[in-house]
Amino acid sequence: GAVVSQHPSRVICKSGTSVKIECRSLDFQATTMFWYRQFPKQSLMLMATSNEGSKATYEQGVEKDKFLINHASLTLSTLTVTSAHPEDSSFYICSAREPGAFNTGELFFGEGSRLTVL
Amino acid sequence: AQSVAQPEDQVNVAEGNPLTVKCTYSVSGNPYLFWYVQYPNRGLQFLLKYITGDNLVKGSYGFEAEFNKSQTSFHLKKPSALVSDSALYFCAVRDGGSGNTGKLIFGQGTTLQVKP
Repeated sequence: GAVVSQHPSRVICKSGTSVKIECRSLDFQATTMFWYRQFPKQSLMLMATSNEGSKATYEQGVEKDKFLINHASLTLSTLTVTSAHPEDSSFYICSAREPGAFNTGELFFGEGSRLTVL
Repeated sequence: AQSVAQPEDQVNVAEGNPLTVKCTYSVSGNPYLFWYVQYPNRGLQFLLKYITGDNLVKGSYGFEAEFNKSQTSFHLKKPSALVSDSALYFCAVRDGGSGNTGKLIFGQGTTLQVKP
């Protein structure tokens, strides 16, 4: 299957700083990527849909100014957690779908990034 | 609105025995259904999907799932469990109707514990 790479896998930062997480599709071009957030022993919560060359579509209740998403190329989407606070500590996972597989294609997931805000 | 439910937080099974992880769904259009597995501190790995065709779908690592439209279920099964199957399993649904953005909605997850 297709490979999605996510970096960094772990990051610890001080409260008030910003953290950027990168998501790359390594062997395919992804016009759409999805960012999920997962709390311990809980399900994945969709945060936003990242669209190449246009603004991200955020789910209800997700602060777009807090979680900045940029999808500047067909292989890279970034999530920036701005002015991070301890409650932003979580496991963030990105995913992408191969071109031409809009509805029927499965999502391929990155390995996730564990953010800890002190 | 589309949704998916996994009624069991945890399933325990002895190695070598068959396993079933339950999933029910609700969509307005045709359901596109997926199963994923997650190991600790890792991303999700795709196991199998149902889009159309045969109700019994075979996937990775010996897993299979049965689509049941009348019961709106898509239970994950394996004839003989392995200790290495112990992980967190997610069922997901995508609404195949028009206007859908293509996003996946995940169930709550079921922890599978296979004991030697």
